[in-house]
Amino acid sequence: GQNIDQPTEMTATEGAIVQINCTYQTSGFNGLFWYQQHAGEAPTFLSYNVLDGLEEKGRFSSFLSRSKGYSYLLLKELQMKDSASYLCAAMDSNYQLIWGAGTKLIIKP
Amino acid sequence: DAEITQSPRHKITETGRQVTLACHQTWNHNNMFWYRQDLGHGLRLIHYSYGVQDTNKGEVSDGYSVSRSNTEDLPLTLESAASSQTSVYFCASSETGDVAEQYFGPGTRLTVT
Repeated sequence: GQNIDQPTEMTATEGAIVQINCTYQTSGFNGLFWYQQHAGEAPTFLSYNVLDGLEEKGRFSSFLSRSKGYSYLLLKELQMKDSASYLCAAMDSNYQLIWGAGTKLIIKP
Repeated sequence: DAEITQSPRHKITETGRQVTLACHQTWNHNNMFWYRQDLGHGLRLIHYSYGVQDTNKGEVSDGYSVSRSNTEDLPLTLESAASSQTSVYFCASSETGDVAEQYFGPGTRLTVT
């Protein structure tokens, strides 16, 4: 079956760095997406990886290892506004997104 | 600015009633999707469309239907609402092509009593 695993909740301190992990098992693979979702709002796109390695975009970076079925989202210089859920989604061979349940990130001052 | 809207934002209905949730996008995207989001679950795909007159079933399509008569709209109909369909429903759209980021609407919170 197809499955995405990510931690349910994480806590970090303002100004620090946090890494949110995601492991996936899909029928075929066409890339890995990360979305941010603030409480009560719509998900918004953060990043897309299809090749192994690290993609950096400002304070946010995303890493992919296809051989390990593993990705992480790295958030640097955390700000209170980064408190949100982070959704990992893998695209399968039919180009359908398989979504994880999301990681709720709590930022403390 | 282009956008994707959903209406209503909140809806309470009774078991057995037919309910239609509207989704309208001005991105001129061919691809449109309906998801439901429940606590402890990832977004689950209900139906999707790759263009006018095209509709496809997703992972959890039982009890739901869609129609695509124009590019902008993809209404979702619950034929006979059930309590198990209480959820937050998100509509999304994306550009033509297999791999494209999806833009989400603000969601509709549906409660079936």
